[in-house]
Amino acid sequence: GAVVSQHPSRVICKSGTSVKIECRSLDFQATTMFWYRQFPKQSLMLMATSNEGSKATYEQGVEKDKFLINHASLTLSTLTVTSAHPEDSSFYICSARTLSAELYHFGPGTRLLVL
Amino acid sequence: TQLLEQSPQFLSIQEGENLTVYCNSSSVFSSLQWYRQEPGEGPVLLVTVVTGGEVKKLKRLTFQFGDARKDSSLHITAAQPGDTGLYLCALLSGGFKTIFGAGTRLFVKA
Repeated sequence: GAVVSQHPSRVICKSGTSVKIECRSLDFQATTMFWYRQFPKQSLMLMATSNEGSKATYEQGVEKDKFLINHASLTLSTLTVTSAHPEDSSFYICSARTLSAELYHFGPGTRLLVL
Repeated sequence: TQLLEQSPQFLSIQEGENLTVYCNSSSVFSSLQWYRQEPGEGPVLLVTVVTGGEVKKLKRLTFQFGDARKDSSLHITAAQPGDTGLYLCALLSGGFKTIFGAGTRLFVKA
C-alpha cells in the first residue's frame, strides 16, 4: 500500500485563489520532504526541500512567496500555491525521506488546474 | 543544462520487441536510480545501482551502471503493453535531493 499520501488528488480553482496541498507519510517519520512540479510530457522538477521545524530551501527560480511550504510535523508537509494563475496548473508530487535516509517514497501526486 | 541526459526522449514499439534507454552525464555519481512513472501517478523506484559495471535484473528489465559511473542503461526484453510509461533516471544531489533526468516516454503497442 501507499506509504506517502497526498490530498487532494486533484483540484480545480479560480485564478487568484490559494490552494493547499498536503503530503503525509503514513507509516514512517520523515524529517525531510521534497516538493516537485511536473508539466505535461516533462520530467519532475524539484521545487523545494522541506525540513521539519525549519524553513524550506527553494531551488533556483522558484518563488518562495508564491509556493509556501510548511513542515510542522514529522509526518506532514503542506504546499500552498498562493494567488494561483493558469500557468501554475501542473502535477505536484511530494516525496519523503525516512529518518535513516535510506529510502525515499513518492506520493501519488496532485493535479492542479487553475482556470 | 540537464545534469542527466536521457535518450531517446520517446519510443514507440510493438509488443515483443526489445529496447534500451540510456542515461548519461559528464559527472561521476556514487549511485544512480531508475524510476518508472505511469500517467497520473508518482514515480516508483525500480532499482539503485552503486558499483561501476554493476548489472541488476528485475524480471525482463536489465539495468547497467557504466564502469566509470557516468552512465547507465535500461534494457527491456520482450516489451509488453504494461511496460508503457515514463522511465526516469535520477541521482541524489548533495547526497539527499533526488534530481531526475528528462525521461524516456515508452509506448508499447499490443
